Amino acid sequence: GEDVEQSLFLSVREGDSSVINCTYTDSSSTYLYWYKQEPGAGLQLLTYIFSNMDMKQDQRLTVLLNKKDKHLSLRIADTQTGDSAIYFCAETATSGTYKYIFGTGTRLKVLA
Amino acid sequence: DGGITQSPKYLFRKEGQNVTLSCEQNLNHDAMYWYRQDPGQGLRLIYYSQIVNDFQKGDIAEGYSVSREKKESFPLTVTSAQKNPTAFYLCASSTPGGSNQPQHFGDGTRLSIL
Repeated sequence: GEDVEQSLFLSVREGDSSVINCTYTDSSSTYLYWYKQEPGAGLQLLTYIFSNMDMKQDQRLTVLLNKKDKHLSLRIADTQTGDSAIYFCAETATSGTYKYIFGTGTRLKVLA
Repeated sequence: DGGITQSPKYLFRKEGQNVTLSCEQNLNHDAMYWYRQDPGQGLRLIYYSQIVNDFQKGDIAEGYSVSREKKESFPLTVTSAQKNPTAFYLCASSTPGGSNQPQHFGDGTRLSIL
């Protein structure tokens, strides 16, 4: 069935790069998304990538997509303490529906 | 500014009581969604609506009900049949175009049992 997997925790030092990984199962997904959730808040859309792209860069964020391995990653350059949050990847579910499938989220902790 | 407003931020439910969570959007989005978030888990879809007066069950609809009488509003009722309602509830909306449009989220309502 449809499933999106992420590791639960990641800890990095301030100024280092963070790489958050995600694997998905639905090869028909057209878009894949990254969201950020700060404590007690909703999800904020960070970036998304169209499935015919390999890479997308947006300021400090770089998204890499490996369709063959169904692997998505989010790289945050020069990680800051304000980047500490939970990061969710999401894929669109079966084409023709409005459903997303979310990963379990990766909690990023940035150490000063 | 356009956005999604969820209220209240915190809600307490007594045993046997129904409670309703509010979700209002002024983004002119046709589609709206309700998710439940439990600690250490991803988001699970409760109900979604693609258009006014129409809605579909998500993956965990039992014990919940919704209505979509207006484009801007998609309230969620947590009924007494939902035996484990303690969770963080998130409402989202998106433009038409199916699942290829990003979903925008409200700030959530945290529901607890008294």
